[in-house]
Amino acid sequence: DGGITQSPKYLFRKEGQNVTLSCEQNLNHDAMYWYRQDPGQGLRLIYYSQIVNDFQKGDIAEGYSVSREKKESFPLTVTSAQKNPTAFYLCASSITVRDYGYTFGSGTRLTVV
Amino acid sequence: AQKVTQAQTEISVVEKEDVTLDCVYETRDTTYYLFWYKQPPSGELVFLIRRNSFDEQNEISGRYSWNFQKSTSSFNFTITASQVVDSAVYFCALILFGSARQLTFGSGTQLTVLP
Repeated sequence: DGGITQSPKYLFRKEGQNVTLSCEQNLNHDAMYWYRQDPGQGLRLIYYSQIVNDFQKGDIAEGYSVSREKKESFPLTVTSAQKNPTAFYLCASSITVRDYGYTFGSGTRLTVV
Repeated sequence: AQKVTQAQTEISVVEKEDVTLDCVYETRDTTYYLFWYKQPPSGELVFLIRRNSFDEQNEISGRYSWNFQKSTSSFNFTITASQVVDSAVYFCALILFGSARQLTFGSGTQLTVLP
């Protein structure tokens, strides 16, 4: 079945470390997105990518980096510059950025220890 | 800028009760889409409905129904005869036509259906 796979499901990071969250899709979608979810808050956009080798900052990009070297993959790196990285991270995709049929992954819960 | 407000943080009902989740939005644009998503404990967002700003017709899908009223900028979601499996966080969201950016999400409503 087509869908989005996020890994790992749970991730623990020591302060000062960079960590990378994986997002893979087999839907042949051009557009991919990373959202952050904090308790009691809606999802906020970190980065999005319209096409391979292209990505744009969302509302809360500081302390994060992404790459889009392959259509299927859109990894997110949480750097040590992100002051409060503990959150739930969701990856999503759509056929194009103007097709609003989004498919979401099951998320990665990142905890700083 | 757009804004979506879900004033109900948590709702608890007993199974078989009806429940309405409120969503109020703000935008100066006249062309937009509104969404409802369900987030079960497993974490992924499950699409429930998308409605464009030109279509105020209410929709019913099984036990789910949606009431879209542009006059009050509301897009409320009702579950009839609730079931334990309906327990989840529900998000309302908005995006402008042609936007290449992102959905604006509400803060979500945690619905708990008790047996």
